Amino acid sequence: DAGITQSPRHKVTETGTPVTLRCHQTENHRYMYWYRQDPGHGLRLIHYSYGVKDTDKGEVSDGYSVSRSKTEDFLLTLESATSSQTSVYFCAIRPSGTGSSYEQYFGPGTRLTVT
Amino acid sequence: GESVGLHLPTLSVQEGDNSIINCAYSNSASDYFIWYKQESGKGPQFIIDIRSNMDKRQGQRVTVLLNKTVKHLSLQIAATQPGDSAVYFCAEGTYNFNKFYFGSGTKLNVKP
Repeated sequence: DAGITQSPRHKVTETGTPVTLRCHQTENHRYMYWYRQDPGHGLRLIHYSYGVKDTDKGEVSDGYSVSRSKTEDFLLTLESATSSQTSVYFCAIRPSGTGSSYEQYFGPGTRLTVT
Repeated sequence: GESVGLHLPTLSVQEGDNSIINCAYSNSASDYFIWYKQESGKGPQFIIDIRSNMDKRQGQRVTVLLNKTVKHLSLQIAATQPGDSAVYFCAEGTYNFNKFYFGSGTKLNVKP
């Protein structure tokens, strides 16, 4: 599992409330990613990080923000949750360095329900 | 773990047969491709990758074929086993970016 944990694992929240999901890794990898997974869409990239305080948008970043103040933690915040953000959220890391491929290792996921 | 109830194309094969899972990609500029396996309740797991300067790559029981002319990728699994039952995703990307685009997946069902 490449030492990746996600918290919480399940969350139910109400429309309009802020929500923060946490991804924690133990192996000091530089690259971290947040995806959402929905029926019929596969995995879609929300945001990614290429170092502490260095982040960039993915294809579905609207309504989400991220922060990375430490190498090991990558936080995803839904500023004002909407029902369309009900999804399963996966964090991933990518090892870097000489000879590394671009494979990503995924965490176990967080199921978020917005009512 | 987590999973989603995906309404996916399904491939059913008999245990011991070979499986072929196909993927069409959209970006002709993509130069790196990955296959992932996702078991129920878990995150995706890397299977094999291929770069655009190759048309075939083999791993343990798996082979990936790349046809850039028609933007098509396939994953072949030899001697399919019940443990291969999962959803399989292809992903495309480029070396210069961290943005990978995933297909919607194919569910492989292995019948004993």
